[in-house]
Amino acid sequence: DVKVTQSSRYLVKRTGEKVFLECVQDMDHENMFWYRQDPGLGLRLIYFSYDVKMKEKGDIPEGYSVSREKKERFSLILESASTNQTSMYLCASSPGKAGFYEQYFGPGTRLTVT
Amino acid sequence: DAKTTQPNSMESNEEEPVHLPCNHSTISGTDYIHWYRQLPSQGPEYVIHGLTSNVNNRMASLAIAEDRKSSTLILHRATLRDAAVYYCILLKTSYDKVIFGPGTSLSVIP
Repeated sequence: DVKVTQSSRYLVKRTGEKVFLECVQDMDHENMFWYRQDPGLGLRLIYFSYDVKMKEKGDIPEGYSVSREKKERFSLILESASTNQTSMYLCASSPGKAGFYEQYFGPGTRLTVT
Repeated sequence: DAKTTQPNSMESNEEEPVHLPCNHSTISGTDYIHWYRQLPSQGPEYVIHGLTSNVNNRMASLAIAEDRKSSTLILHRATLRDAAVYYCILLKTSYDKVIFGPGTSLSVIP
């Protein structure tokens, strides 16, 4: 079975801190994604990557950056955390061409910024 | 941009079939229809997806209207473990826009 793991289930950070969220998948998938999930808004795509060192903006990239140095690892970076970035963050991976393949999600990281 | 519309909530009796509808009247020819579900405190789980033809897998069936403006996820025999939020989303091959709406919260009554 595909496994997508995220570094933390719960995280509490202070405003202005730099925050790293790590995601690792074990199935050699090409594509990886970061979403945030907020009540009433569903999931929104922040960034995605279709190859090592490649990244593309999703719907809401402002305030975030990403890094993909190895195929299995995709990191989401909050350069200076703000309270409006308090949310559930979900990582996903997919074996290939967008739409044609399913996405596999991690368990999520609930980030609270105080 | 193509959007999906689903009922906010639905109820089903255990061991009965469930039909979860989704409207996507502005779907384009390159949009794949995906269904995911999310149990409390977990990440979404893939259920099924299709482009034009009806699809079946071990979890569910997906019925796609001929004009592709709507689709229906069919759970053949609901169990208590099927209680979740079900999301119908459209995914383009370019991934430049992914929309997960609020989904349908399915309750299964024993």
